Amino acid sequence: AQTVTQSQPEMSVQEAETVTLSCTYDTSENNYYLFWYKQPPSRQMILVIRQEAYKQQNATENRFSVNFQKAAKSFSLKISDSQLGDTAMYFCAFTINFGNEKLTFGTGTRLTIIP
Amino acid sequence: GAGVSQSPSNKVTEKGKDVELRCDPISGHTALYWYRQSLGQGLEFLIYFQGNSAPDKSGLPSDRFSAERTGGSVSTLTIQRTQQEDSAVYLCASSLVGGARGEAFFGQGTRLTVV
Repeated sequence: AQTVTQSQPEMSVQEAETVTLSCTYDTSENNYYLFWYKQPPSRQMILVIRQEAYKQQNATENRFSVNFQKAAKSFSLKISDSQLGDTAMYFCAFTINFGNEKLTFGTGTRLTIIP
Repeated sequence: GAGVSQSPSNKVTEKGKDVELRCDPISGHTALYWYRQSLGQGLEFLIYFQGNSAPDKSGLPSDRFSAERTGGSVSTLTIQRTQQEDSAVYLCASSLVGGARGEAFFGQGTRLTVV
């Protein structure tokens, strides 16, 4: 069975600073996808960034980047130049790369950007 | 519509009553997933549809929970004889076949409160 662990229930950072959210996972599979989702108060889950396990290069999307360490089973999210609109719950998630692609989620990190 | 639509947005029901939650996926998305998010928790997988078939129902917590999908489109999650522990946000997501290589799009969820 796959598990995803987020050890930081809450974090806060000043606007314009950089923050890193941690995520570790456990799986015996070799091919899989990792995701960071953002959930604002509207409840809708929004995909922030995606990483394929077979790719060594870390994914980046504008101010968002990941540090993917496959051997350590670690997948952290870095948010640069944080903005007030980044305030939300952030969930790390995992899926196997074939067939049923149901997501396994961590318990989330509540991120607050302080003006 | 352009996105995944869920109705109702909020539902309050009395313990013991049956409820139906509806999900309209993005047109053309063959895969559909239901998740449950209890207060302060991550998302928990309930059921996966590929077309009208449900090859993975492993997350349904009891036989009080059932779901169907018709016409490869709309899905309904039914909870019979609701209990207080069923109170949660129920989220639906849809994706193209091989969604992990694309993206799972989420609706805004139905907040169910059992009193």
